[in-house]
Amino acid sequence: EVQLVESGGGLVQPGGSLRLSCAASGFTFSSYAMSWVRQAPGKGLDWVSSITGRGHSTYYADSVKGRFTISRDNVKNTLYLQMDSLTTGDTATYFCAKIAEGYYDFWRPFDYWGQGALVTVSS
Amino acid sequence: YVLTQPPSVSVAPGKTATITCGGHNIGSKTVHWLQQRPGQAPVLVIHYNTDRPSGIPERVSASNSGNTATLTINRVEAGDEADYYCQVWDSSSDQGVFGGGTKLTVL
Repeated sequence: EVQLVESGGGLVQPGGSLRLSCAASGFTFSSYAMSWVRQAPGKGLDWVSSITGRGHSTYYADSVKGRFTISRDNVKNTLYLQMDSLTTGDTATYFCAKIAEGYYDFWRPFDYWGQGALVTVSS
Repeated sequence: YVLTQPPSVSVAPGKTATITCGGHNIGSKTVHWLQQRPGQAPVLVIHYNTDRPSGIPERVSASNSGNTATLTINRVEAGDEADYYCQVWDSSSDQGVFGGGTKLTVL
């Protein structure tokens, strides 16, 4: 059974940093591209970042480019999102999501999602 | 790349709900649809424009052509009440894109 479990969320001050983790199990982690998607309270889904299966290529939304870094450890089967220079606009639940097929086939759907980690940026 | 959805759609039980997703030449892209109930993670209900993942009932269907993708739910039930999102990958910018979401209310 595929499982994605996020951790690392919490309360952080504006300008601060936080690292999210997503522990994956039930599939060959290194064979699949992965993504982070966020959802601000009461708002819609917002794509944040994606990474290829081997971690060689990364992609970011304009709103987080230069501040967030996606990475993965294919030995630990874990996806990460390092978030720096956080603003109140980054307050959201962050979901990790698995691409249905392929190392880099981002056009394919997100077939599995974690339950999300809440990040609150506030002074 | 921008995907435009109506904020809300209301339908009586047993009727048909239609949710649109507008985008420039979206017919040339691969569209996926997700359902999200309150407090839950999204669930894929349509992938690759028209296909249903296993476990999704046949009364859920979709199409994609021109500048509009459409999700159709026939014989709507109370359990269909949720937010629905269309999603594509924009290869010109190498970014994922979600529509703003449509709240389906079953009257």
